[in-house]
Amino acid sequence: AQSVTQLDSQVPVFEEAPVELRCNYSSSVSVYLFWYVQYPNQGLQLLLKYLSGSTLVKGINGFEAEFNKSQTSFHLRKPSVHISDTAEYFCAVKEYGNKLVFGAGTILRVKS
Amino acid sequence: GAGVSQSPRYKVAKRGQDVALRCDPISGHVSLFWYQQALGQGPEFLTYFQNEAQLDKSGLPSDRFFAERPEGSVSTLKIQRTQQEDSAVYLCASSLVREAHEQYFGPGTRLTVT
Repeated sequence: AQSVTQLDSQVPVFEEAPVELRCNYSSSVSVYLFWYVQYPNQGLQLLLKYLSGSTLVKGINGFEAEFNKSQTSFHLRKPSVHISDTAEYFCAVKEYGNKLVFGAGTILRVKS
Repeated sequence: GAGVSQSPRYKVAKRGQDVALRCDPISGHVSLFWYQQALGQGPEFLTYFQNEAQLDKSGLPSDRFFAERPEGSVSTLKIQRTQQEDSAVYLCASSLVREAHEQYFGPGTRLTVT
C-alpha cells in the first residue's frame, strides 16, 4: 500500500525567508502527487499537483514543488514566505483508483 | 460558485449514540469521497461514490460506519453506537468526473464523542 512521509511535523521560519517542506512517498509505479494547505477550521485547498511532464510544478500563492522520481520525493518550496502562509500543509499521492493517501502534515509557522 | 458544504460543522455525541453527517458536493460533481482526520494526523480515506454507486468502502473502520448517496448528489455518513475513537474531523470531497485529479474539500464536521 502507498504511504507518504512528511519529514517535519513543524517548520518555524521568519517572514520573507525561504522554506522547504519535505515529502517522500513509497511507490515504484506511476503516481500523481499533490500538496494541499489547510487553514484553521477550513477544508483542504489544493496548492499544486504533479500529473506528468515537467518535474517542476508551480502552484498558487508562489509555491512550487519538484518531483524527483529516483528519490521518490516531492518537496514543496517557497522563496519568500509571508505571515499569511502560516497553516498546515499536506502531501498526498494518488495511484490507480481515486483515493488520496495523505502524509501526517507539516505545520508551517511564519514568525515576524 | 458554491463549494462543498457539510453539516453540522460541529457535533458532540455521547458514547453509544448514532450520528449522521451530511455532505453537499459541488453541483454536477460525479465523484464523492469521505475522509477521516484524527487530531494531528492527515486525512484517511473512508469511502468513495461515483454517482449513487459506492465503488470503494475499504477505508470504513468498522461495520458501525455506513455511507449512502441515494440520488447521486447529497451524501450522508452515518456512525452507529459511537465510540470515543470515532472523535475526528470528517471531510467530504467531490470531483467533477471519475478520473479527475482535483478533489474539492468541504470544511469538515468535527465530531466529539464524550
